Formats: sequence, structure tokens, C-alpha cells
Amino acid sequence: EIVLTQSPGTLSLSPGERATLSCRSSQSIASSFLSWFQQKPGQAPRLLIYGTSSRANGIPDRFSGSGSGTDFTLVISRLEPEDFAVYYCQQHGSSPLIFGGGTKVEIK
Amino acid sequence: EVQLVQSGAEVKEPGEFLRISCEGSGYSFPDYWISWVRQMPGGGLNWMGMIDPGDSQTDYSPSFQGHVTMSVDKSLKTAYLQWSGLKASDTAMYYCARHRSGSRTSVCDFWGPGTLVTVSS
Repeated sequence: EIVLTQSPGTLSLSPGERATLSCRSSQSIASSFLSWFQQKPGQAPRLLIYGTSSRANGIPDRFSGSGSGTDFTLVISRLEPEDFAVYYCQQHGSSPLIFGGGTKVEIK
Repeated sequence: EVQLVQSGAEVKEPGEFLRISCEGSGYSFPDYWISWVRQMPGGGLNWMGMIDPGDSQTDYSPSFQGHVTMSVDKSLKTAYLQWSGLKASDTAMYYCARHRSGSRTSVCDFWGPGTLVTVSS
């Protein structure tokens, strides 16, 4: 079973700053099968990035994803107030599908 | 517009039966796998398993195999998640989510709002 480790657990930043979130896998993942979700309190997760680097419909271009193999990254270039949330990576190429533990991006 | 509508919050006692639902609309329901995801209070996302509404093929996470059952009613465009004997540790929010394409390995692009299940004596 694949294990996804997200770091840091919490990221304290100010609006306008750049956020860099990491997702590391215990096994190599094909780029097509690594995605990122955003979850705000009291809401369902929302798809941000699929296939490592493709933005989902309606996602602003300040969100970008990259990586390959076992190391993947989500970057938010300039944090907006609505971006403070928890972010999860997920591998969905093999069963069981696995989520990372999440990174909370909080206002500093 | 694709929508997943989930059944309302439930409060149950340990050992009771429960079935929650997820109704899909705005797309061809049989053609897209549905996953179920658990989120315990203050916790992260846990994938429970998935079901193909076309033929009811299932794929359960080992962590949930034998404790829950997934099913569908194609005529109602509805997927179900059921427990035959709830435990206090089943207290959580449960989300259904649609896979983006007909492939079981595609990402989940639409999510239901969740059903809160509380199990307490």
C-alpha cells in the first residue's frame, strides 16, 4: 500500500506570500494519478489539480502542481484570503486509493 | 450541471443498521465510478472504496472491507453505503465523489456535501 506523506503539517503565511506544499510517496506514482484537493471548514473537498499539473475547472492560475515519481509539489504563487484551507494530495492509480495527511495553510 | 445529493445527518446507537445515500444528477449515472470517503472529526480523508454503478462492481479498501457494503440502484441514480452494525468509531462525515471519467483510476471531480453520522449510546 502506498503511503503519502505531506509536509509541512501546517504552513503559517501572510496573504500575498508564496506557499509551497510537498507530497512524498513511498512508491513511484505515474503523473496521471496524483491529484490535489482543497478543503475549507464545513465544506466538502474540492478538486484543484489532477494529473500532477492540470488545473481543474475554475481553478485560478496562482495554483500550480509539479513533480514526478515520488515527489510532488503544489504551489500557490500569491496567497489570497480564500486560499487559507487544508490541502490534500491523493494517488488514485492503484487500489487502495490513498490521501496524504494534509497540509493546513493558516494565516500568520 | 453535475450534482451529488447526499442523505441527511443521522444519529444512531451502537449495533444499529444504517444506510446512507448519494443521488447523482446532470450526467449519465451508470458510466462513472463512485467513491466513498470518510472524514473523522478533526481528521483527514480516508478512502473507503468505490463502486461501478453500471455493473455494481466494487473495490473496497482493506481498512473497510467487511465492515461496510456499497450498492447502487441504477433506476434511482443512487449509490448507497451501509453498515449492519454501527460502532462509536464510525462517527464521521461521509462523502461520495464521482470519478472524472469511466475509468476507476480517474480523479474524483465532483463531491457530495457529505452525510454526518453520529453513533452514540
